[in-house]
Amino acid sequence: GAVVSQHPSRVICKSGTSVKIECRSLDFQATTMFWYRQFPKQSLMLMATSNEGSKATYEQGVEKDKFLINHASLTLSTLTVTSAHPEDSSFYICSARDPWSSYNSPLHFGNGTRLTVT
Amino acid sequence: KQEVTQIPAALSVPEGENLVLNCSFTDSAIYNLQWFRQDPGKGLTSLLLIQSSQREQTSGRLNASLDKSSGRSTLYIAASQPGDSATYLCAVYNFNKFYFGSGTKLNVKP
Repeated sequence: GAVVSQHPSRVICKSGTSVKIECRSLDFQATTMFWYRQFPKQSLMLMATSNEGSKATYEQGVEKDKFLINHASLTLSTLTVTSAHPEDSSFYICSARDPWSSYNSPLHFGNGTRLTVT
Repeated sequence: KQEVTQIPAALSVPEGENLVLNCSFTDSAIYNLQWFRQDPGKGLTSLLLIQSSQREQTSGRLNASLDKSSGRSTLYIAASQPGDSATYLCAVYNFNKFYFGSGTKLNVKP
């Protein structure tokens, strides 16, 4: 079945630095990928929709200059957290769906990235 | 705006028990509803997807139902096992987005 790979699974960085998270679709070409953030004991919050070859669509309240999304190919989307702050510490998850499937095909998720900013 | 609620937030049962997890949503104009499992520190694994025209889906010991008009779905787990311990999330798809509930944390005691 469809598989989405996310890397790294864990990252620790210092305040002020930038961190890049990769999301790859392994056996299908994803024209659209979704980036979520999950706080402890809370649900997933959609941050942005990543579109191959065009600008990402950000949800209200998400700083586009802080969370840079690049979807340069049909199998790779990246999320870069710039000038990281301790408040950015969270669990980030990407997802994708085979575009050749209908709306009624399952959404597949990566295993997430635990970001800790010290 | 769509809102998804899951009850209970946590559930602890002895092994072998049958159980029901609940999910409700405020806007019935959905394309589909999907149940996921999330293990601690991990991503989400899709369990079942119910299309808006369907009433239920089954996979092994899992059965999910959908009542779109009332905005409700249930996930039934038969003969629960300790390996079923995880957080279960439901998500509805409409307005080109997925809306997630906050999950039910299930603990199945041996």
